[in-house]
Amino acid sequence: GENVEQHPSTLSVQEGDSAVIKCTYSDSASNYFPWYKQELGKRPQLIIDIRSNVGEKKDQRIAVTLNKTAKHFSLHITETQPEDSAVYFCAASSGDYKLSFGAGTTVTVRA
Amino acid sequence: GAGVSQSPRYKVAKRGQDVALRCDPISGHVSLFWYQQALGQGPEFLTYFQNEAQLDKSGLPSDRFFAERPEGSVSTLKIQRTQQEDSAVYLCASSLVHTGELFFGEGSRLTVL
Repeated sequence: GENVEQHPSTLSVQEGDSAVIKCTYSDSASNYFPWYKQELGKRPQLIIDIRSNVGEKKDQRIAVTLNKTAKHFSLHITETQPEDSAVYFCAASSGDYKLSFGAGTTVTVRA
Repeated sequence: GAGVSQSPRYKVAKRGQDVALRCDPISGHVSLFWYQQALGQGPEFLTYFQNEAQLDKSGLPSDRFFAERPEGSVSTLKIQRTQQEDSAVYLCASSLVHTGELFFGEGSRLTVL
């Protein structure tokens, strides 16, 4: 089955700086890569996703890049704000129904 | 309702008790998933329904876990003879199609004493 590894497990950044989270996956057939944000005690919510036919996708301050050859993808958050503090999960799927999640990255934005 | 609803939000059970966790998906969503999230970990797949059919139960940890969705909408995850290792947050998610965006509920936090 798919195995997704996520780094770092914790990340502390100064407000206004950028944050980068990296994930690797094992199944070369994976073609869908979503990122979820989970605030403390809340539900995970999709913030951005990318499919394997593109290398990069951007939505305001967040962007995701995908390197299919190396089997890794990354989340970039620019101009971080306190409300960006949360746990972020990457995930991968081979196009069927089953998402495999990373272990999560706890992001803390210092004011 | 606007989103996926789960109940109870918190459940404390004594070891050996049976528990039932309920999920109300978004109306019209064909696909329904159950995930288990241990403390400090990402969600782990348990089972998947398409309408009332349970197409995959490969993630259920043991035969003490049972899920159903008899009318293709509300789903129940039942855990028999609970053990301490069952303590986790159980997340339900639904999607319009099986490859679409997952919409999660807020989860049911189970603590087994």
